[in-house]
Amino acid sequence: GQQLNQSPQSMFIQEGEDVSMNCTSSSIFNTWLWYKQDPGEGPVLLIALYKAGELTSNGRLTAQFGITRKDSFLNISASIPSDVGIYFCAGLSRGSNYKLTFGKGTLLTVNP
Amino acid sequence: DTEVTQTPKHLVMGMTNKKSLKCEQHMGHRAMYWYKQKAKKPPELMFVYSYEKLSINESVPSRFSPECPNSSLLNLHLHALQPEDSALYLCASSQDWGREADTQYFGPGTRLTVL
Repeated sequence: GQQLNQSPQSMFIQEGEDVSMNCTSSSIFNTWLWYKQDPGEGPVLLIALYKAGELTSNGRLTAQFGITRKDSFLNISASIPSDVGIYFCAGLSRGSNYKLTFGKGTLLTVNP
Repeated sequence: DTEVTQTPKHLVMGMTNKKSLKCEQHMGHRAMYWYKQKAKKPPELMFVYSYEKLSINESVPSRFSPECPNSSLLNLHLHALQPEDSALYLCASSQDWGREADTQYFGPGTRLTVL
């Protein structure tokens, strides 16, 4: 089946620093979604991307849909303690039988 | 409003119990999903309902029985579970199933513990 390689697996940063994480695949996806999950809670949608090359922002978050349709990145600027959590990328395509394919997640820790 | 609600928040049950998880959305979405999530892992798809009909069953054991009474509600009936079924159970919904441009919204989950 299709797989998403998400990196890094974990990050430890200081408050105020910028963060970047990405997902790559050998398969094409037509939708890229980025979620944040706090412990014991459900994933919360951060950004949805539907077009190759699309660059979308949501406050301090910026995500891009790669031009090849095989990758996406998420940037967080000026991190704050509440950014702590697990970030998942997810892709959707006909090739995945319209099921969401998830990356394994990036665990972000922000030191105040 | 992009809210999906789930009840209960926590559930502890014995292996001989019968219980149900409930999910509700009022976004007019026609597709609803059940996922299972183990700690520090991504969600794993269990079932997909489209227009109140079961579209996908990811070879889930029969001790999990989904039900979609109407377009806003999704239930997951549990019976004779095993301790390894302990996990966070997530409900999600999206506008439709079978589209390449779609977005799934997740509920807060039910933390299930099987003793």
